[in-house]
Amino acid sequence: EDQVTQSPEALRLQEGESSSLNCSYTVSGLRGLFWYRQDPGKGPEFLFTLYSAGEEKEKERLKATLTKKESFLHITAPKPEDSATYLCAVQAVESNYQLIWGAGTKLIIKP
Amino acid sequence: ETGVTQTPRHLVMGMTNKKSLKCEQHLGHNAMYWYKQSAKKPLELMFVYNFKEQTENNSVPSRFSPECPNSSHLFLHLHTLQPEDSALYLCASSQTLAGGVDTQYFGPGTRLTVL
Repeated sequence: EDQVTQSPEALRLQEGESSSLNCSYTVSGLRGLFWYRQDPGKGPEFLFTLYSAGEEKEKERLKATLTKKESFLHITAPKPEDSATYLCAVQAVESNYQLIWGAGTKLIIKP
Repeated sequence: ETGVTQTPRHLVMGMTNKKSLKCEQHLGHNAMYWYKQSAKKPLELMFVYNFKEQTENNSVPSRFSPECPNSSHLFLHLHTLQPEDSALYLCASSQTLAGGVDTQYFGPGTRLTVL
């Protein structure tokens, strides 16, 4: 069965303390893996799409990487405004549009 | 207006009420989606439309009724809901469902509370 698991469920960091969020996936074939950021009471905001193992993408303090089994979202020297829930979703080869979503990681950055 | 907009942002309704959620996308996309988001659960896909035609109904109860009059507008009509239907309802759009990898862009959501 195709599935996406995100860990940890919640992560509390001090401002400036770097860390990583994990997204493990099981699909027969990967079309693409998406990362979104969601602030409380708002819709998910698109961050990255990764297509193949070994690919990396960066945006400000965020860097997303991909292997054949998982993706990491690395956060370098985070600031309080990076606090949000980060969602991971996978599109399998056999799907034209349906995404398999993880439950998210809630990130809290304390000043 | 830019991106994907949703109205109302908050809705409280009784179990016997009838209400509608509205979504409008200003991105020139041809595919639109309704999702349900409950606390600590993955997003649940409810309906998908491509060029106004429904392509997915993910076993959603008939008390939820979608309508897509054109590629820019999507409605979700609600009637005789249950308290367990309380959730954040998200609308999204993407370029098209022609295959390949198609990024979905989301609206701010409607927070629905059913009493």
